[in-house]
Amino acid sequence: GAVVSQHPSWVICKSGTSVKIECRSLDFQATTMFWYRQFPKQSLMLMATSNEGSKATYEQGVEKDKFLINHASLTLSTLTVTSAHPEDSSFYICSSGLSSYEQYFGPGTRLTVT
Amino acid sequence: AQSVAQPEDQVNVAEGNPLTVKCTYSVSGNPYLFWYVQYPNRGLQFLLKYITGDNLVKGSYGFEAEFNKSQTSFHLKKPSALVSDSALYFCAVRDRNSGNTPLVFGKGTRLSVIA
Repeated sequence: GAVVSQHPSWVICKSGTSVKIECRSLDFQATTMFWYRQFPKQSLMLMATSNEGSKATYEQGVEKDKFLINHASLTLSTLTVTSAHPEDSSFYICSSGLSSYEQYFGPGTRLTVT
Repeated sequence: AQSVAQPEDQVNVAEGNPLTVKCTYSVSGNPYLFWYVQYPNRGLQFLLKYITGDNLVKGSYGFEAEFNKSQTSFHLKKPSALVSDSALYFCAVRDRNSGNTPLVFGKGTRLSVIA
């Protein structure tokens, strides 16, 4: 199957700083990528849909100015958590797929804000 | 609207016994159905999917699931559970006519296999 990578896998940052998470499709071109957030022992919550060359579509309740998404190429989407606070600490997962019956997930990035 | 229900937060089973993790779904059209497994601090690993054809789908690690259209269910099963199967399991659905839209996930079921 297709491979999606994320970097970093784990990051600790201080409150008030910004953190960038990268999501790459390694062996296919991803016109669309999805960003999810997962709190401990909970399900995945869709944050936004990232489209190559256009603005991301955010789910209701997700702050666009706080969670900046850039999908500059067909193999890379980035999520930047700006002015991070401890409540932003979470597990962030990206995914993409080649068709409507395929969906590949990245390994996730654990963000801890101190 | 699409939705997935996993009615059990936790399933406990003895090693060697059969296991079932339940999932029901709701879509306006016909579904694509998926099962994923997640180990601690890891991403989601694909187990199996139903697209069309045979209602019994076989997947990775000995897991299988049966698509039941009349009951709108897609329960995950394994004939003989292993301790290493202990993890968090997610069922997901996508309407076939919705294009490349994000999957809709259930809340997850934690499986604990006891030696």
